[in-house]
Amino acid sequence: KAGVTQTPRYLIKTRGQQVTLSCSPISGHRSVSWYQQTPGQGLQFLFEYFSETQRNKGNFPGRFSGRQFSNSRSEMNVSTLELGDSALYLCASSDGLGIRNEQFFGPGTRLTVL
Amino acid sequence: KQEVTQIPAALSVPEGENLVLNCSFTDSAIYNLQWFRQDPGKGLTSLLLIQSSQREQTSGRLNASLDKSSGRSTLYIAASQPGDSATYLCAVTDRGSTLGRLYFGRGTQLTVWP
Repeated sequence: KAGVTQTPRYLIKTRGQQVTLSCSPISGHRSVSWYQQTPGQGLQFLFEYFSETQRNKGNFPGRFSGRQFSNSRSEMNVSTLELGDSALYLCASSDGLGIRNEQFFGPGTRLTVL
Repeated sequence: KQEVTQIPAALSVPEGENLVLNCSFTDSAIYNLQWFRQDPGKGLTSLLLIQSSQREQTSGRLNASLDKSSGRSTLYIAASQPGDSATYLCAVTDRGSTLGRLYFGRGTQLTVWP
């Protein structure tokens, strides 16, 4: 079974631009969660999608948005980029059901904002 | 709000030592606890998942225990090797949140030297 894939792996943008990141979950998984990882804040939860619906959202500004498609692939979008958005963005997939609900992470997208 | 703490923040040991990493969480109402490994600049690799009804899980040289009532988990690594060098993160799935959201500690950075 293929693992979680994220594209692109690296991105360089300038302030004010917008960016879209993509995540393809493990086949059969219906839940995709997104996290931002920075040295200063550690891993912070952005949002979770399950069967195309946002099921949970963290404390990030509205510039951060996401969506999930019918094939469970998910995208997150960051508009009006700021320097502080530079981070490793990780997505995780799981079946989203049952208490076991093991999470599997992708390799991440490294975003640098100049 | 669930808070996860990991001690120590960093650990440096010679090859062959047995070692223990600690994780504590503030709210014992969890579904499960998961231990991850992260190599520099990479995604997270799932090591072990312990459901709330379980006391421990083992995989090879790794053994994780869970004491839900006291809000603690330990990851025991036997006969450490240089290849074990990485950051180890623990995360819980909280009963007060949705299944797709993990609460992470800041990690323990482990260095095993030959």
